[in-house]
Amino acid sequence: GAGVSQSPRYKVAKRGQDVALRCDPISGHVSLFWYQQALGQGPEFLTYFQNEAQLDKSGLPSDRFFAERPEGSVSTLKIQRTQQEDSAVYLCASSLAWSNSRGAEAFFGQGTRLTVV
Amino acid sequence: AQTVTQSQPEMSVQEAETVTLSCTYDTSESDYYLFWYKQPPSRQMILVIRQEAYKQQNATENRFSVNFQKAAKSFSLKISDSQLGDAAMYFCAYRINGNNRKLIWGLGTSLAVNP
Repeated sequence: GAGVSQSPRYKVAKRGQDVALRCDPISGHVSLFWYQQALGQGPEFLTYFQNEAQLDKSGLPSDRFFAERPEGSVSTLKIQRTQQEDSAVYLCASSLAWSNSRGAEAFFGQGTRLTVV
Repeated sequence: AQTVTQSQPEMSVQEAETVTLSCTYDTSESDYYLFWYKQPPSRQMILVIRQEAYKQQNATENRFSVNFQKAAKSFSLKISDSQLGDAAMYFCAYRINGNNRKLIWGLGTSLAVNP
């Protein structure tokens, strides 16, 4: 596609509900990132994929958060048993970069705004 | 630990004037990138400008330029001839040039452009 696409744009979940957020990166992009952006804050890194391999998940706040990218393209961020503190915008970004190459801009989607009530 | 600090939560500028947004960072790495991103209400992060740490020359992109002071770990963004469309949140971000390209972000500066 022309850019990084995220769906849904908005999600309201009841506390305790499971949610799944989808990211369609730019075709051919190797690297994919998930960030969490709380209201009035800068984004915080959650996890990073290179193709289908999840190379860094150090930013996932708890074991309720799980991300996958099984075929090296579309990625899903799943949050189990949502809690109010999970309310945030979830941003996905992709880039062409291989691990040893320089440069390569990260392109962002418009994010999914998750509200847990 | 690497950190990015933006000390100006809000700034304003008159249309056609110049404004400078501040950013400082802390790192022990020598090979890294610095970025300024713009986030309009649509929420999509848009890259404004980037600077490679090993380049001494300050990056410029049309009306946008940076003042990169590596020893002081300072990376400010100058917007010249401000336009109404420049109004947005601006985030300073950092990443090392290594296997993990995760970005570390500041808290952002909200820029208002007054007509």
